[in-house]
Amino acid sequence: EDQVTQSPEALRLQEGESSSLNCSYTVSGLRGLFWYRQDPGKGPEFLFTLYSAGEEKEKERLKATLTKKESFLHITAPKPEDSATYLCAVQAVDSSYKLIFGSGTRLLVRP
Amino acid sequence: NAGVTQTPKFQVLKTGQSMTLQCAQDMNHEYMSWYRQDPGMGLRLIHYSVGAGITDQGEVPNGYNVSRSTTEDFPLRLLSAAPSQTSVYFCASSLRTGQKVHTGELFFGEGSRLTVL
Repeated sequence: EDQVTQSPEALRLQEGESSSLNCSYTVSGLRGLFWYRQDPGKGPEFLFTLYSAGEEKEKERLKATLTKKESFLHITAPKPEDSATYLCAVQAVDSSYKLIFGSGTRLLVRP
Repeated sequence: NAGVTQTPKFQVLKTGQSMTLQCAQDMNHEYMSWYRQDPGMGLRLIHYSVGAGITDQGEVPNGYNVSRSTTEDFPLRLLSAAPSQTSVYFCASSLRTGQKVHTGELFFGEGSRLTVL
């Protein structure tokens, strides 16, 4: 069964304290892995797409990486405005009409 | 651009009542979908559509109906509401790249928060 597991469930950081979020996945054939950001009371907002192991994408203080079993979202020198829930999702080759989402990591960055 | 617009934002129903959640997008996306989000669980696909007149079931379709008469609109109907349908519902759209394939870059609405008593 295709599955996505994110860890930790919650993470508290001081402003400027870098860290990483983990997304482990099990899928029969990976079409793509996606990272989304969700603010409280809002819908998820797309961040990155990764297609193959070794691929990296960057946007401001965020960098996403991909291996054959997991993806990391690295946050460098975070700011309070980076506080949000970060969602990971996979799209499988044999069920490409849907995304399979993890339950997310709630990130709080304190000033 | 408005993007994906959902109405209502909040709704309280009694068990057995029916209602329709509205979703409209102005990006000319062929692919549209409905997800539900529950605490501690990932978003789960209810129904999806790859174009006007075409709909199909997702992971958790029971108790819900959809239709797609235009490219822009994709309403979700709750036939007889149950407390288990208390959730936050998200409509999302994307570009279609194949028969049942979308890019994975979903554009989400702001959500409809439903409580069933």
